[in-house]
Amino acid sequence: DTAVSQTPKYLVTQMGNDKSIKCEQNLGHDTMYWYKQDSKKFLKIMFSYNNKELIINETVPNRFSPKSPDKAHLNLHINSLELGDSAVYFCASSQGTWVRNEQFFGPGTRLTVL
Amino acid sequence: GESVGLHLPTLSVQEGDNSIINCAYSNSASDYFIWYKQESGKGPQFIIDIRSNMDKRQGQRVTVLLNKTVKHLSLQIAATQPGDSAVYFCAESRGTGFQKLVFGTGTRLLVSP
Repeated sequence: DTAVSQTPKYLVTQMGNDKSIKCEQNLGHDTMYWYKQDSKKFLKIMFSYNNKELIINETVPNRFSPKSPDKAHLNLHINSLELGDSAVYFCASSQGTWVRNEQFFGPGTRLTVL
Repeated sequence: GESVGLHLPTLSVQEGDNSIINCAYSNSASDYFIWYKQESGKGPQFIIDIRSNMDKRQGQRVTVLLNKTVKHLSLQIAATQPGDSAVYFCAESRGTGFQKLVFGTGTRLLVSP
């Protein structure tokens, strides 16, 4: 049973396109996150949602728009894709917003912008 | 700027050796630290954590040491196995209100049989 799943696993697209990545967790958690990992493996938080409400919004371009239709899902839509958006995007979830609650990560979505 | 960083980008060890992965952090206000393991093609996985009121914590084959005086964190893996080969990240909690995890740059551990 997959705890945190993401689709697609790979996404290759042209500059200027709009794309979405989906995330679902079946752990019953109420907090979900999006992280970006660049080519040097640097991992940085982008957004966090608790009970469908945005609680952390790092300095991410507004081309990135997360949406949480319910507690089990957090999707990431990216408009006007740029070369620098190429990265691996990880979704994660935890129970509660306290940072000491373990975060469970999905397998990642590798986005390549050509 | 404030950052969490690692001294060694790649560490190569022989199976059965003990491994030590180091991490330096610069935010003296950080009060919670975690080590994550990321295998190839997978997401990070929690290994062990430590609060700032502790200087050592042990898990199964792993030990985390925290030296707040020099703002240094280390992960010790005993009897390293090929399955331990991965990238290891330290992370610290940062911020007020809704805290976030700030990750270091990662160290790749290569274990040879």
